[in-house]
Amino acid sequence: GQQVMQIPQYQHVQEGEDFTTYCNSSTTLSNIQWYKQRPGGHPVFLIQLVKSGEVKKQKRLTFQFGEAKKNSSLHITATQTTDVGTYFCAQNTGNQFYFGTGTSLTVIP
Amino acid sequence: EAGVAQSPRYKIIEKRQSVAFWCNPISGHATLYWYQQILGQGPKLLIQFQNNGVVDDSQLPKDRFSAERLKGVDSTLKIQPAKLEDSAVYLCASSQTEGAEQYFGPGTRLTVT
Repeated sequence: GQQVMQIPQYQHVQEGEDFTTYCNSSTTLSNIQWYKQRPGGHPVFLIQLVKSGEVKKQKRLTFQFGEAKKNSSLHITATQTTDVGTYFCAQNTGNQFYFGTGTSLTVIP
Repeated sequence: EAGVAQSPRYKIIEKRQSVAFWCNPISGHATLYWYQQILGQGPKLLIQFQNNGVVDDSQLPKDRFSAERLKGVDSTLKIQPAKLEDSAVYLCASSQTEGAEQYFGPGTRLTVT
């Protein structure tokens, strides 16, 4: 099946530090979505990127879609303990939908 | 607006038994998804419905898993017979249209012993 690579798999940061997770695909994507899953919870939609090179911001979160529409990143500025969870990218290649392996973020107070 | 409803929340069965999960999507959402999420992994799409038609079931183990959405609203996912490796959380999600943001239900945690 489709391989949706996310790096890193785990990240521990001190509160106030920045955090970035990367999502890479072997194929060109129609669009990409990002979700957050708190421990014990279900995925919650964060954002969708559609255009090549698109950059979107939500408060301290910055999302980018690569020029070739094969990769994406999520950057969090000045992490807070409320940012704890696993961040997944989800790729739409037409009719098929694949979630990435996820990056688990731990924020140390 | 009511969210996606799933039941049961937890289920424990022995291997070779059967189990069924139910999902009621958000009203008006045409697209419904079933995912399997094994601990420590990302959700894996099992089947996607558009109204009552199947869009993608390429990752559904059809020898033991089946799903239906007869009236284009709620859906059931069945496993028969269950294996130990089916232990996972089964998530249902819905979206207004295909490819739009997905709203997830709380999931059903299945343990096969």
